[in-house]
Amino acid sequence: AQSVTQLDSQVPVFEEAPVELRCNYSSSVSVYLFWYVQYPNQGLQLLLKYLSGSTLVESINGFEAEFNKSQTSFHLRKPSVHISDTAEYFCAVRGIQAGTALIFGKGTTLSVSS
Amino acid sequence: IAGITQAPTSQILAAGRRMTLRCTQDMRHNAMYWYRQDLGLGLRLIHYSNTAGTTGKGEVPDGYSVSRANTDDFPLTLASAVPSQTSVYFCASSELRRQGFGEQYFGPGTRLTVT
Repeated sequence: AQSVTQLDSQVPVFEEAPVELRCNYSSSVSVYLFWYVQYPNQGLQLLLKYLSGSTLVESINGFEAEFNKSQTSFHLRKPSVHISDTAEYFCAVRGIQAGTALIFGKGTTLSVSS
Repeated sequence: IAGITQAPTSQILAAGRRMTLRCTQDMRHNAMYWYRQDLGLGLRLIHYSNTAGTTGKGEVPDGYSVSRANTDDFPLTLASAVPSQTSVYFCASSELRRQGFGEQYFGPGTRLTVT
């Protein structure tokens, strides 16, 4: 079984500041890792994913996450945030076996102010 | 392509009433899922279906039932609603491939209030 811990429930930052949303996971098997974003009153959208290969993965809107197997972490970072990045962010993990359920963290609310 | 549609968008329901939340996808994905989202608890899996004709229980299945008569539809039924089922419900789908990965696509959600 897998589990996910998002270490911060809320992260307030000012516009153009860097941000890191922390995610740790536990699993006895190899995993795939994901970050989803949920804008207000909307469903979840996939932001980025780690399947294999390079441990640093990037999204099209400037976010990146690094898979650290030794620390079982998959922290999400952005060097300079915008007001439009205000949303809830969910880290998720699943085992690589077909049919394995996706396990979500409890979410981190990123609030960007000017 | 619409992706995943859910109905209704929101609903206020009296306790004890029966309610079916509808979910339809047009991507021909073989797997579908129902989650509930509650403040501070994230998303929790209620039921899932890896292919038409099969269903399975997730983390919080009690009080809910599902069916998967065809590929596109995956309704969630609350047989006798209780206030603790007040939540936002999300349907999702994914394509299960041989190697096990398939991105999950989410619907817009149904906000259910049980009074």
